[in-house]
Amino acid sequence: GIQVEQSPPDLILQEGANSTLRCNFSDSVNNLQWFHQNPWGQLINLFYIPSGTKQNGRLSATTVATERYSLLYISSSQTTDSGVYFCAVTNTGNQFYFGTGTSLTVIP
Amino acid sequence: NAGVTQTPKFRVLKTGQSMTLLCAQDMNHEYMYWYRQDPGMGLRLIHYSVGEGTTAKGEVPDGYNVSRLKKQNFLLGLESAAPSQTSVYFCASSYGFRGSGANVLTFGAGSRLTVL
Repeated sequence: GIQVEQSPPDLILQEGANSTLRCNFSDSVNNLQWFHQNPWGQLINLFYIPSGTKQNGRLSATTVATERYSLLYISSSQTTDSGVYFCAVTNTGNQFYFGTGTSLTVIP
Repeated sequence: NAGVTQTPKFRVLKTGQSMTLLCAQDMNHEYMYWYRQDPGMGLRLIHYSVGEGTTAKGEVPDGYNVSRLKKQNFLLGLESAAPSQTSVYFCASSYGFRGSGANVLTFGAGSRLTVL
């Protein structure tokens, strides 16, 4: 399967700070998604981004498929951004491989 | 529109007991998946289905069986539960490549299973 590495594993931010989360993957992919798992365990899709750049409010993501990495940017962080962020990839369309996540804590 | 619904949300089993987790989706998605989430290990795929009547093994299929008799339902069974199957189980669904829209995963709320 595809190896997915996320960094950093843990991140603590002061409210209002910016952060960059990274996802490296070991093989070419045709689908990459970012998810946020909130403190209650619910997984929410943030971005479908197999290549290029997308923005959604304070969040944006960039995937450089040729170099096998993706970045998730969080600007002006809020306490509600706390949780775990996962990257998931596939090159078959049916088996998605997840990284171990970045645990983000935003302190007021 | 309920999305993806998992039942039950919590369950405690004794070693050797059997149980079934039910996943239901109302989005007419083709693909359905069962994942388990363990601390520090992310989500790992147990089994998946690319359409009604089909199933396939994922990364960690041992000890589990699945069925997709109806398009909207995907069942995960444990025939003889073991403590190593203590985990949080997530069901997900997507349009897949045969459906319309991007192949984006939608997750259920999770089912926490404890095997004593």
